Amino acid sequence: GNSVTQMEGPVTLSEEAFLTINCTYTATGYPSLFWYVQYPGEGLQLLLKATKADDKGSNKGFEATYRKETTSFHLEKGSVQVSDSAVYFCALKENNDMRFGAGTRLTVKP
Amino acid sequence: DAGVIQSPRHEVTEMGQEVTLRCKPISGHDYLFWYRQTMMRGLELLIYFNNNVPIDDSGMPEDRFSAKMPNASFSTLKIQPSEPRDSAVYFCASSWGTYTEAFFGQGTRLTVV
Repeated sequence: GNSVTQMEGPVTLSEEAFLTINCTYTATGYPSLFWYVQYPGEGLQLLLKATKADDKGSNKGFEATYRKETTSFHLEKGSVQVSDSAVYFCALKENNDMRFGAGTRLTVKP
Repeated sequence: DAGVIQSPRHEVTEMGQEVTLRCKPISGHDYLFWYRQTMMRGLELLIYFNNNVPIDDSGMPEDRFSAKMPNASFSTLKIQPSEPRDSAVYFCASSWGTYTEAFFGQGTRLTVV
């Protein structure tokens, strides 16, 4: 079945550091891929998405590129801020089945 | 639109009691999902509906759990009887179409004592 694997956390960075959170997926066809962010006490919010190979999703300085050849959708940000501290989830959706990775907790220190 | 609305936000109940969680999806969305989130197991898909019909309930942990969607604007997740291991945050999400993103509610934090 479909699945998502993302790097385990927690990840701790200093402000303005470069962020990469790895995500790879297994799917039978051509899923849509997503990154969600969850702040403390809140639900998941869509951060960015990509619906086909080579698409790049971007939002709030975060980027991820749909790489079909490596079945990956790594999240990157060039300069993180304290306010980016949250849990990040990689997800895929195919044929109405939406699957999430385990989540990666990011803490950014001033 | 106010987004996906879940109630209650917090629920504390005693073991053995019946618990009902409620969800109002975004108007016009044809898919509704129920997820459970715990530290140990992460985010688990319990069940999802398409046009009010349950499509996949393979994630429902056991017969104590049941979900209904009587109309396009309302769904419930019921646990009867509840057990301490059911303590978790339960999320409802809705989406439109096959490949679009799901929009999440704020979740219901359930504590069974």
